[in-house]
Amino acid sequence: DAKTTQPPSMDCAEGRAANLPCNHSTISGNEYVYWYRQIHSQGPQYIIHGLKNNETNEMASLIITEDRKSSTLILPHATLRDTAVYYCIVRVSRGTSYGKLTFGQGTILTVHP
Amino acid sequence: DTGVSQDPRHKITKRGQNVTFRCDPISEHNRLYWYRQTLGQGPEFLTYFQNEAQLEKSRLLSDRFSAERPKGSFSTLEIQRTEQGDSAMYLCASSLSGLSTDTQYFGPGTRLTVL
Repeated sequence: DAKTTQPPSMDCAEGRAANLPCNHSTISGNEYVYWYRQIHSQGPQYIIHGLKNNETNEMASLIITEDRKSSTLILPHATLRDTAVYYCIVRVSRGTSYGKLTFGQGTILTVHP
Repeated sequence: DTGVSQDPRHKITKRGQNVTFRCDPISEHNRLYWYRQTLGQGPEFLTYFQNEAQLEKSRLLSDRFSAERPKGSFSTLEIQRTEQGDSAMYLCASSLSGLSTDTQYFGPGTRLTVL
């Protein structure tokens, strides 16, 4: 699986948009970008995923660059409850390694009042 | 609640004891995954099942670890002769295959402390 690089930490003011970057310059054509978050002492929570096109759901938007070498997760109106570790994961869509997610260190997002 | 459930949520044991954890996936999800997470690190993949077949095992899964999914529904993870280094959060996830991508949904985890 392609490796991802994320900043170790970011801050955001409550009510503002949080933009979390992820670099995945070695991504290949059959690999998806997934985002999960983990609030302290809980299991990871799925947020969103995409292949090439930008995606949006009720939680967030995912913007993937045209060359697919980086992406940005956008939380449009961050709240205190969005304080968590955010993981960007690149995952193959088929093959023997299909089953597993490879988590990195993630980005600790702290939302301030 | 129709999410992934895990039992127990917390387990404290003495070194050398055996422990068993259970995971109940989301109903109709045919894939089930186990991960381990130590303090300050991201989760690490241990193994996964499609129905009752164990399709992949990590090198992290030593001989003391065994996972089963006998009827393709719930799964158990057993650790024999626990060591202090086994202290971690054990996470279970499930997904439904057959889609273009099968998204994994995680349970709350079982926190193991080995004294």
